[in-house]
Amino acid sequence: DIQMTQSPASLSASLGETVTIECRASEDIYNGLAWYQQKPGKSPQLLIYNANSLHTGVPSRFSGSGSGTQYSLKINSLQSEDVASYFCQQYYNYPPLTFGSGTKLEIK
Amino acid sequence: QVQLKESGPGLVQPSETLSLTCTVSGFSLTSYGVNWVRQPPGKGLEWMGTIWNDGSTDYNSALKSRLSISRDTSKSQVFLKMNSLQTEDTAIYLCAREEGSSGFFFDYWGQGVMVTVSS
Repeated sequence: DIQMTQSPASLSASLGETVTIECRASEDIYNGLAWYQQKPGKSPQLLIYNANSLHTGVPSRFSGSGSGTQYSLKINSLQSEDVASYFCQQYYNYPPLTFGSGTKLEIK
Repeated sequence: QVQLKESGPGLVQPSETLSLTCTVSGFSLTSYGVNWVRQPPGKGLEWMGTIWNDGSTDYNSALKSRLSISRDTSKSQVFLKMNSLQTEDTAIYLCAREEGSSGFFFDYWGQGVMVTVSS
């Protein structure tokens, strides 16, 4: 099984800042990576797929990058509505699909 | 529009069997796969298994011996059955649609149903 190591576990940043969340895979996943946002009490929402493709309707301040085993999600100009948990998910090699452990983002 | 909605009992006794239903609308189960994912309170996401658009299934090996996913295409419903439940199976159970064209990720999710395993 491919293990996904996500960091940091929690993050506090000011409005307008840029934040970066990272995921490291235990082996090369060839850009088979998605990012999700989960607001409190809600189900996850797709942000990014194929490591760097923005899902329909997602604000352009979200972006994904990376290759091989290292991937990142960047949020520019942090907004109050970005308070959420963020999860990465690999889909290069399955079953099983595997998720990162999540990053909880708060506003300072 | 695309919707998924989970239903089932909120409380299950230890050692009993969990039965959940995911009712979908806005798409056909013969065109898209549907997955079950669970999330223990305050924790991360665990993929449980999928039923593909052709009706075949794949499961997380950690749950495979206890888990069964099936469907009724005429009713647009996907079913989860998991036996021998223990307290560590307490979680929010979500169904999610596989995006289908670009890879095995999820573009629509249900709201989830909280299942507590307790006597």
